[in-house]
Amino acid sequence: DAGITQSPRYKITETGRQVTLMCHQTWSHSYMFWYRQDLGHGLRLIYYSAAADITDKGEVPDGYVVSRSKTENFPLTLESATRSQTSVYFCASRRPSTDTQYFGPGTRLTVL
Amino acid sequence: DAKTTQPNSMESNEEEPVHLPCNHSTISGTDYIHWYRQLPSQGPEYVIHGLTSNVNNRMASLAIAEDRKSSTLILHRATLRDAAVYYCILRSNDYKLSFGAGTTVTVRA
Repeated sequence: DAGITQSPRYKITETGRQVTLMCHQTWSHSYMFWYRQDLGHGLRLIYYSAAADITDKGEVPDGYVVSRSKTENFPLTLESATRSQTSVYFCASRRPSTDTQYFGPGTRLTVL
Repeated sequence: DAKTTQPNSMESNEEEPVHLPCNHSTISGTDYIHWYRQLPSQGPEYVIHGLTSNVNNRMASLAIAEDRKSSTLILHRATLRDAAVYYCILRSNDYKLSFGAGTTVTVRA
C-alpha cells in the first residue's frame, strides 16, 4: 500500500546504546523530515532531506545522525542514546503538488 | 523562523462552527500559512493552507486577514472526530514546518 511507514513503532533501549529508527515512503517524494514530540508539546524538527544524499539540520539535531542513500528511505540514528531523547519520533514526506506533509504513525522511544 | 500565537484551548458543541484564531505578525511575504491537526496518539494531519486569499476545502475554511498578520481556521460543523490539537504554522521557503504548542479543541456532544 502507498504511504509512509515507520519502524519500530515502540522501542525501549538503554543509555549509551545506538538506535536506528526507520522511515519508508512509497511516493518517491523528494523532501523528507524527522521530528520529535515530547509529552505535551508540539513537534520539533531534527533533520530534513531535500533529496537522496542531501540532508540538513533542523532545530534540534544534536545527538542524531541521518542518511539518505535512497529516495524512499530516511533512517534516523541515535549514536549514543540519552534519557533526554525519550520521545515520540515522527517522519514525514512532502507532496510537492499540494505542498503538504504526510506523517508516519510515529515511533515511541524510551531510553532507560 | 516566523512564529505564530494561538489560544491554548477552545471548546465547542457538536455541529456548531469553530473559529480558531492565529496571530503571525512577523510573517514575511513568501510565508505560506498552513494548518495541521493531530488527533490523540496519531501523527499530524494536513488541514488547509493559503498565501493571501481565503481558501476552502472539504475539511475547513481558512480566512486570511488583508495584512496577513492573522488568520482564522473555520470548522463549519464540529464533530466529535474533530477533537484534536490544531497547529497554525508558517511554512518557510525551504518547506520546513515550525510547530508551536497549538490549540486543543474539545467538542462536546
